Amino acid sequence: SQQGEEDPQALSIQEGENATMNCSYKTSINNLQWYRQNSGRGLVHLILIRSNEREKHSGRLRVTLDTSKKSSSLLITASRAADTASYFCATDQAGTALIFGKGTTLSVSS
Amino acid sequence: EAGVTQSPTHLIKTRGQQATLRCSPISGHTSVYWYQQALGLGLQFLLWYDEGEERNRGNFPPRFSGRQFPNYSSELNVNALELEDSALYLCASSLRMEVFLLSNYGYTFGSGTRLTVV
Repeated sequence: SQQGEEDPQALSIQEGENATMNCSYKTSINNLQWYRQNSGRGLVHLILIRSNEREKHSGRLRVTLDTSKKSSSLLITASRAADTASYFCATDQAGTALIFGKGTTLSVSS
Repeated sequence: EAGVTQSPTHLIKTRGQQATLRCSPISGHTSVYWYQQALGLGLQFLLWYDEGEERNRGNFPPRFSGRQFPNYSSELNVNALELEDSALYLCASSLRMEVFLLSNYGYTFGSGTRLTVV
């Protein structure tokens, strides 16, 4: 079953632009995580935000979490061609494994 | 340090056969997770093992099974293969749950096994 739903499903931007992806989920969580997947290979963990945090930064990544709306956003600033990948949000509920959304496919063209 | 390793990389089976997929976690990780990623779909949770025990199971039929060995490596078995089982099977590992919940680490994924059922 899917817990998170990313929006949009696909996003195309130019190098240097910012990319924003959104994630909505259904039940209360301990934390929410974002992952990147290149070309159908393994996922790479990007950032984790806890349920009592509202915003977190890591390099060019900024994640926000609104638990009242059960939503999160991932902002990638100054996008590069190498950022082209699929991005997934995943929610951590107590006692279960991470539940992933269907992902947003980001295409950054030069 | 070696990452999460999965074998084989590709596997082609005939409908009705059995498939065995293997995963070795990062040293120090005791939790192993299996996910199925069919074309165009997100990751569907299959199984979670921690310290040799099955902790949680996703909404998959019983012909999907697995186990975790004393060295924390894991095996996923799929019996009576069906065409719709064709997918990328991803294994991930993490620290044991009590430690993982307090950390800022996520899962570490392997590169996956591409299973094709013909």
